[in-house]
Amino acid sequence: DSGVTQTPKHLITATGQRVTLRCSPRSGDLSVYWYQQSLDQGLQFLIQYYNGEERAKGNILERFSAQQFPDLHSELNLSSLELGDSALYFCASSVSGGGYTGELFFGEGSRLTVL
Amino acid sequence: GNSVTQMEGPVTLSEEAFLTINCTYTATGYPSLFWYVQYPGEGLQLLLKATKADDKGSNKGFEATYRKETTSFHLEKGSVQVSDSAVYFCALSGGANSKLTFGKGITLSVRP
Repeated sequence: DSGVTQTPKHLITATGQRVTLRCSPRSGDLSVYWYQQSLDQGLQFLIQYYNGEERAKGNILERFSAQQFPDLHSELNLSSLELGDSALYFCASSVSGGGYTGELFFGEGSRLTVL
Repeated sequence: GNSVTQMEGPVTLSEEAFLTINCTYTATGYPSLFWYVQYPGEGLQLLLKATKADDKGSNKGFEATYRKETTSFHLEKGSVQVSDSAVYFCALSGGANSKLTFGKGITLSVRP
């Protein structure tokens, strides 16, 4: 158990819909990362928050947005969903910015299926 | 920008076979290098790391040496077990506050 909690574990929805994925980081971790894992693209970095502020942005679509709340949990919002958004979405956390230590703690992921 | 290239998979081995998974990278400066492992139905977890050239990371019988001259960080294990069946990701970090960049991952299946 990494200590990172993601909900929901599975989600099935239709094209055009909007969903919210939630992540609670490990106790004491200030950074939260979101990654998308798909068969063809591998593991893609979406966005990072550190203590409530956006720290880095990767290949995140404009239809997607995220935020980190004062209690440090984070939400990833996916809207106008397309079939290609079907993937496993991982949240990870770390004490600081990740960096040299490289130790990110991953949740078990939220599997999104868009029909 | 930073990138990581892993050998194509999947890889299937018999128990007790020798394992090598190749990883090469492109980065500016002096990145830190990592191997993560993802067991079925779980999230990724750090397997080992090396933060400077010639460092060797090791854990659970796995080893990888940071080779700056060949920009490589190949993962090896002398004798694999069925329980090593998983997806293995090579990754790098470009600095103190830098995000991790992952390779595409490779699936390892070990037969009894």
